[in-house]
Amino acid sequence: QKEVEQNSGPLSVPEGAIASLNCTYSDRGSQSFFWYRQYSGKSPELIMFIYSNGDKEDGRFTAQLNKASQYVSLLIRDSQPSDSATYLCAATTGGFKTIFGAGTRLFVKA
Amino acid sequence: GAVVSQHPSWVICKSGTSVKIECRSLDFQATTMFWYRQFPKQSLMLMATSNEGSKATYEQGVEKDKFLINHASLTLSTLTVTSAHPEDSSFYICSATEVNIQYFGAGPRPSV
Repeated sequence: QKEVEQNSGPLSVPEGAIASLNCTYSDRGSQSFFWYRQYSGKSPELIMFIYSNGDKEDGRFTAQLNKASQYVSLLIRDSQPSDSATYLCAATTGGFKTIFGAGTRLFVKA
Repeated sequence: GAVVSQHPSWVICKSGTSVKIECRSLDFQATTMFWYRQFPKQSLMLMATSNEGSKATYEQGVEKDKFLINHASLTLSTLTVTSAHPEDSSFYICSATEVNIQYFGAGPRPSV
């Protein structure tokens, strides 16, 4: 069973701090990795994707991938209350099937 | 990014009736679309993969006759929840893939 694991949280950080969200995956054949943000009652929206080992930065967001450790993370700098949401990690296998984690709930306290 | 639209965004129906949900890729063609179900505070559960011009591939435990999927064109897939009952009340979300990235539509929430 190919899986994507996330800590369900909730993760609580003060406004302005760095929020660190982590994800591990079991399928070594996974090639693409995604982070989605989902507000309550809304559909997931894509934040970032990463294919290669290392860091990828986009504004306040940084995705990190370590294929040897089968580990993906998302850092949110200068966290804002509007960042409070559930963050879904996803991995696409070699067969192009996308597996989603259960999500981590993030609360940013003003 | 690509835009995926769902319609309707909210549905209330009587028990025993059918509900049809449309998923459209607005600015790209999607040979494959996905249908998910999500209960409150739970993760996405893949129900089926919708393939343009052919039968959908259902995940284990999903009733094909209950959840009818039709992918009639490269921009439209429909999910019909037949003979809906209160336990079918959920968040149904579709997605379509462009360049190996899944983009989600705004899911309607059938309430029976």
